[in-house]
Amino acid sequence: AAGVIQSPRHLIKEKRETATLKCYPIPRHDTVYWYQQGPGQDPQFLISFYEKMQSDKGSIPDRFSAQQFSDYHSELNMSSLELGDSALYFCASSLGGLSTDTQYFGPGTRLTVL
Amino acid sequence: QKEVEQNSGPLSVPEGAIASLNCTYSDRGSQSFFWYRQYSGKSPELIMFIYSNGDKEDGRFTAQLNKASQYVSLLIRDSQPSDSATYLCAVTGGGADGLTFGKGTHLIIQP
Repeated sequence: AAGVIQSPRHLIKEKRETATLKCYPIPRHDTVYWYQQGPGQDPQFLISFYEKMQSDKGSIPDRFSAQQFSDYHSELNMSSLELGDSALYFCASSLGGLSTDTQYFGPGTRLTVL
Repeated sequence: QKEVEQNSGPLSVPEGAIASLNCTYSDRGSQSFFWYRQYSGKSPELIMFIYSNGDKEDGRFTAQLNKASQYVSLLIRDSQPSDSATYLCAVTGGGADGLTFGKGTHLIIQP
């Protein structure tokens, strides 16, 4: 079965640079979520989109922004990168609009900020 | 502030025995409850989901939910060495709300 696709899988950036992470949800899924997982930490919810509209917002820094496009893929844009932004970034998708949405996670993008 | 609490472990269980993982949550408005398994450096993998009070069984896994006590558990029967991983409890208010995770329980199945 098709899964969530994330690109790139690994990314190395310098401080103060920008980064763009991409997420392609499972076919027919219309809801996308972004999570950040630091070393030894649990995943922290950043932001979600349902039918291309922002739905829920978590602990996303103001330096980060995201959007969902007409084909339901999503991009997380990160600016003025800091050392503390080094983490695994996961995208998850679900078939939305229900109170019983089940989120399926992609393989993640490992971001290293030097 | 929504909180999900888990014993971080490690929880060591002999192969073939039952592993019992527990989780409590603070938000009484939580609607959906999930158990994910995560291997080091990999993404969370869905194991079980439960929405209603009671037990839900799927193969070797049983999830239990008690909304009055704000308690969720996961039982793994006939534990295998491949079950060794970190198990994350997650809750959400439903819809497109983000998941709130516990810090995970590190499970070790001893051959």
